[in-house]
Amino acid sequence: KAGVTQTPRYLIKTRGQQVTLSCSPISGHRSVSWYQQTPGQGLQFLFEYFSETQRNKGNFPGRFSGRQFSNSRSEMNVSTLELGDSALYLCASSLIPGGNTGELFFGEGSRLTVL
Amino acid sequence: QQQVKQSPQSLIVQKGGISIINCAYENTAFDYFPWYQQFPGKGPALLIAIRPDVSEKKEGRFTISFNKSAKQFSLHIMDSQPGDSATYFCAASDTDKLIFGTGTRLQVFP
Repeated sequence: KAGVTQTPRYLIKTRGQQVTLSCSPISGHRSVSWYQQTPGQGLQFLFEYFSETQRNKGNFPGRFSGRQFSNSRSEMNVSTLELGDSALYLCASSLIPGGNTGELFFGEGSRLTVL
Repeated sequence: QQQVKQSPQSLIVQKGGISIINCAYENTAFDYFPWYQQFPGKGPALLIAIRPDVSEKKEGRFTISFNKSAKQFSLHIMDSQPGDSATYFCAASDTDKLIFGTGTRLQVFP
């Protein structure tokens, strides 16, 4: 059974640009969550999608957005990049939504560097 | 209200020793407390989890101790091995979302 796949794995952008990250969940998983990981801050929740609908959103500015497609694949977009957006962006999938309903399966992440 | 505080930030343990990582939360609505393990270059993976109706859960060398009244929970790794060297994240959630601690980098030396 294939795991969660995130692309691209590494990317470098400059301030002001935008970036789109992609996540393919485990087959059969309909819930996809996104987290930002930075040293010292741990994993911070960005948003969760279930059945193409944003179910929950973390405390991030509107420059961070996402969507989910009918095949459960998800994308997140960051516009007008800032230096502080440099981070590892992790996608996680699960069978059903909600923080307390069971295991999240994480991908290996997309490491974004903003210069 | 939504924070999960984790300590220590880093931990160095000798092989065979006990590693202890502590977490504290404030939101009494939290009802699920997992621990995730992350190796360099990999995403976090679920290690062990507990719900507040029990005070302890053990899986092999890994044990979660849970103190509901103190709103604290901890991970104990018995007989720590070099292969346990990783970053450990505690987390807590209600029906809303999973909130993670800031992580503990564990290094186990032979």
